Amino acid sequence: AQTVTQSQPEMSVQEAETVTLSCTYDTSESDYYLFWYKQPPSRQMILVIRQEAYKQQNATENRFSVNFQKAAKSFSLKISDSQLGDAAMYFCACHMYSGGGADGLTFGKGTHLIIQP
Amino acid sequence: DAGVTQSPTHLIKTRGQQVTLRCSPKSGHDTVSWYQQALGQGPQFIFQYYEEEERQRGNFPDRFSGHQFPNYSSELNVNALLLGDSALYLCASSFSRGETQYFGPGTRLLVL
Repeated sequence: AQTVTQSQPEMSVQEAETVTLSCTYDTSESDYYLFWYKQPPSRQMILVIRQEAYKQQNATENRFSVNFQKAAKSFSLKISDSQLGDAAMYFCACHMYSGGGADGLTFGKGTHLIIQP
Repeated sequence: DAGVTQSPTHLIKTRGQQVTLRCSPKSGHDTVSWYQQALGQGPQFIFQYYEEEERQRGNFPDRFSGHQFPNYSSELNVNALLLGDSALYLCASSFSRGETQYFGPGTRLLVL
């Protein structure tokens, strides 16, 4: 079974500053994908960024980037130039392949990100 | 391009009742996955439907069942509701059981 751990229940950052959210995971599979999702108070889960395990290059999407350390099974999210609209719950998730298709996502418990104006 | 839609947005039921939640996938997607998100927790995978069949299932009892229709939309049914079934139920869609899933806005279920 795979597990995803987010050790920071809450993080706070000043607007325009940079913040890093931590995530570690455990899986025995070699073929998997990692994701960060954002869930604002509206509760819609929004895909922020994804990383293929076989790629060494860290994924980047505008102000969002990841630090993927495969050997350490670590997958942190860096948000640069934080904006008020970034305030939300952030979930790390892992997705592995089995039985000819993709399994469901395994999520961490989330990190509540607060943006201080 | 319509995203994932779910209905209803909110629902109140009493213990022992049965409930049906509905989901329409994002245009072009043929796979639907369902998740349960308890308050303050991350979503938990219930099951996945592809080609009108349940393909994968998480650790949920048989009270949770589903269906997928030829147009790829899906239903989640929960029988004999318990207080602990109160949660946000999320539907996610993907293409051909792919790994990237896009979520709907969810249905908030309250069991009294």
